[in-house]
Formats: sequence, C-alpha cells, structure tokens
Amino acid sequence: NAGVMQNPRHLVRRRGQEARLRCSPMKGHSHVYWYRQLPEEGLKFMVYLQKENIIDESGMPKERFSAEFPKEGPSILRIQQVVRGDSAAYFCASSPGRGSEKLFFGSGTQLSVL
Amino acid sequence: RKEVEQDPGPFNVPEGATVAFNCTYSNSASQSFFWYRQDCRKEPKLLMSVYSSGNEDGRFTAQLNRASQYISLLIRDSKLSDSATYLCAVTRGSSGDKLTFGTGTRLAVRP
Repeated sequence: NAGVMQNPRHLVRRRGQEARLRCSPMKGHSHVYWYRQLPEEGLKFMVYLQKENIIDESGMPKERFSAEFPKEGPSILRIQQVVRGDSAAYFCASSPGRGSEKLFFGSGTQLSVL
Repeated sequence: RKEVEQDPGPFNVPEGATVAFNCTYSNSASQSFFWYRQDCRKEPKLLMSVYSSGNEDGRFTAQLNRASQYISLLIRDSKLSDSATYLCAVTRGSSGDKLTFGTGTRLAVRP
C-alpha cells in the first residue's frame, strides 16, 4: 500500500515562473491537506481539500496560490509568479475521513526560487 | 500568542538520559493531541497520539494536562537515533478541522 506520493521532490523555478506541486493521497484516503515549512520554522497549514471541494483555505495566501483536488488525479498546489519568499518545503498529508486524526505525510516538495 | 508553543531547544543530552518536552496550546476547545517526529526536514511522522489518561509506547510516554493546557513527551533511555525535531500538534477535533503544529523542539543525543 503506497503512502502519500508527492512530486517532484525538488523543484527549481526562476522568479515569475509558475510552480505546480502534485500530491496523490494514500489509497482509500479522500482528504488532502497542504502544509508549508519555511526554513527554521514549523509547519503552517495552507489548505484542506476533499475530492472536488475546498473545505478550508484559511492558510492560503490571498494571491498567486491556488489548490485543487479533482475527481480524478492528484491534488495540485499551484503557485503563480513565484517569488524568493515562496522557497520552502511543501508537504501534503492525507486522511481517510473528515477531521485530521492521524495524518499521513508525503515526502514533500522542496521549492527553490532563484 | 501562538496557538501551539514549544521550546525550540536544542536539548543536548547524553545517551541513556531521560528528557522531557512540553507543549502548550491556547485554544481550550482543542480535543485531539499528537506528537510527531521530523528528521532533517523530511516528512513528519506520527510518534503517538496523546490521551487524557496518558499513554506509553516503549521508552516514550505522553501526558495531557487539560487544566493547564499542555502536553508533554518523556523519552527514557535516550538513543542516538532519537535525535530529531519533535513537533506537537493539536486539533479541535471537529469535522474537517486541521492540525495546528508547534514549531518543534530539537533533540540531539550525544554518545
């Protein structure tokens, strides 16, 4: 049973480009959470999605960031017009049902903006 | 005030030592509590859930104090492999609520 799969593991972008981060939840899990971890900081909640629905996006920056979890395929975190401050580790986690009991995390995507 | 606060450390201890971490939370409505372990910027891994009655898993013991709004993690007989960052996490436990993490406490176990 594969765990939470994130890709790419490392992503390098120049300022102004777009970054697309993918997350496939564990088999049987229909709830996905995205977290961001800046250097020397803790994990910050960004968004919680269920298939085709955004449940809680209170942690998402107001501009340039968007997330989706379509009926088919992985969840996507999209960052438009990246800036250096977007450089961070982005972790995806999944759970089988509502509520965040026992989240299982993917290995993360390390985004570096040049 | 942060919703979840931890002493960042680092805690430097010799092998075999007993070490304890505390984590305070500000929302009295918090219902579920967890300790995660994170190695070198890798993904956090669930170490243990924290129950009101306290719980133990081998060398690890977790306690919850609702009156004072803190949770603790005790590690006995520290091993070199315990060196990591320990994150506490809380949730209100209601449907769809997210986990809120502390910034983590770094532990370094030396030979």
